[in-house]
Amino acid sequence: QVQLQESGPGLVKPSQTLSLTCTVSGGSISSGSYFWSWIRQPAGKGLEWIGRIYTSGTTNYNPSLKSRLTMSLDTSKNQFSLKVTSVTAADTAVYYCAREEVTGYSSSWYSSWGQGTLVTVSS
Amino acid sequence: EYVLTQSPGTLSLSPGERATLSCRASQSGSSSYSAWYQQKPGQAPRLLIYGSSSRATGIPDRFTGSGSGTDFTLTISRLEPEDFAVYYCQQYGSSPPLTFGPGTKVDVK
Repeated sequence: QVQLQESGPGLVKPSQTLSLTCTVSGGSISSGSYFWSWIRQPAGKGLEWIGRIYTSGTTNYNPSLKSRLTMSLDTSKNQFSLKVTSVTAADTAVYYCAREEVTGYSSSWYSSWGQGTLVTVSS
Repeated sequence: EYVLTQSPGTLSLSPGERATLSCRASQSGSSSYSAWYQQKPGQAPRLLIYGSSSRATGIPDRFTGSGSGTDFTLTISRLEPEDFAVYYCQQYGSSPPLTFGPGTKVDVK
């Protein structure tokens, strides 16, 4: 059973860079069967798709965040990462990493999720 | 980009009652399917339904998904105490960005 676990600072200052890592256990991120994704949820609000990365390194980003995003893979550690630059209070949210199934379609569903990590942007 | 709406925003029911949750997409792609997730306070979302009607592993058969095109439905045949939660729909099949609905909260009447 695959498990995902987010890690990173819980507090980031405005204008700085938010950096999170998702460690995957029980499965390999090199598997071609999945996209590795980030999704966030501000307190009391709904889910916002941030983006995803495939084992090849190909990425897809939310257009509303694209200019500030970088995602990467570290296959040696079985981890994938998210960086969001120039953060503001609007980036305060619980950040989830999740595994999206690769199907014959351009997108699909999320079969596994990390527990989430709260990131607060504040000085 | 698709916009999903869910109705009702809140559904107040008693244990044992039937819950019907609706999800509507602003447009339909050439391939359009739904997934449904359950989220309890302080927890990550949990996949219930994918492919519009397929139950995820371990999901009880009181959860049923249906629909196609732009209209999708999640039905919980008889609410158990553990079913009171927020439910999100997601439409997929087309190119990113992926979108989720705003959620329906099922609470105790």
